[in-house]
Amino acid sequence: ILNVEQSPQSLHVQEGDSTNFTCSFPSSNFYALHWYRWETAKSPEALFVMTLNGDEKKKGRISATLNTKEGYSYLYIKGSQPEDSATYLCAFLYGGSQGNLIFGKGTKLSVKP
Amino acid sequence: DGGITQSPKYLFRKEGQNVTLSCEQNLNHDAMYWYRQDPGQGLRLIYYSQIVNDFQKGDIAEGYSVSREKKESFPLTVTSAQKNPTAFYLCASRTGLDYGYTFGSGTRLTVV
Repeated sequence: ILNVEQSPQSLHVQEGDSTNFTCSFPSSNFYALHWYRWETAKSPEALFVMTLNGDEKKKGRISATLNTKEGYSYLYIKGSQPEDSATYLCAFLYGGSQGNLIFGKGTKLSVKP
Repeated sequence: DGGITQSPKYLFRKEGQNVTLSCEQNLNHDAMYWYRQDPGQGLRLIYYSQIVNDFQKGDIAEGYSVSREKKESFPLTVTSAQKNPTAFYLCASRTGLDYGYTFGSGTRLTVV
């Protein structure tokens, strides 16, 4: 059974703190790893699609790294702001390029002003 | 603006009734997906469609049915055979392989 694990399950930080969370996924038959941000009462929004081992992608204060050989990805947020409060989902694309996503349960981030 | 529209936002169904959730996109995406979210669980794939007039079962298809008669539309019917239909349902679509999915805002279905 393919499984995507995210940790921690939830995280509370103060405004200005930097933080990171982990996504673990199967290291065999890797095609792509997706990160999404899901704010309350909104739609999940794609942050990154990562395909290459060693990839590092950045979007503003948020960045992500990928290690396909050991099956993990880190998401970093530098200088957290209250508007970063959301659930961050990672998803592993299995079955090749036309395959489907397996989602982790998410990391819920709360940033206190 | 392009996007995915799901309706209704909230839906109440009596036990034994079928109900259809709407999903419409104006993004010209070929692939569309239905996911279900339950408390404490990740999104689980119900059905997906890579092209018009074709669809495939996902991991939890039992008790659900779909159609894909038009590129823009991918409605999901929750049948009376679905044992535990109360959940949050998300529709998504995607374009090329290097792009993330675009999601709708979801429908919360409650069986009363």
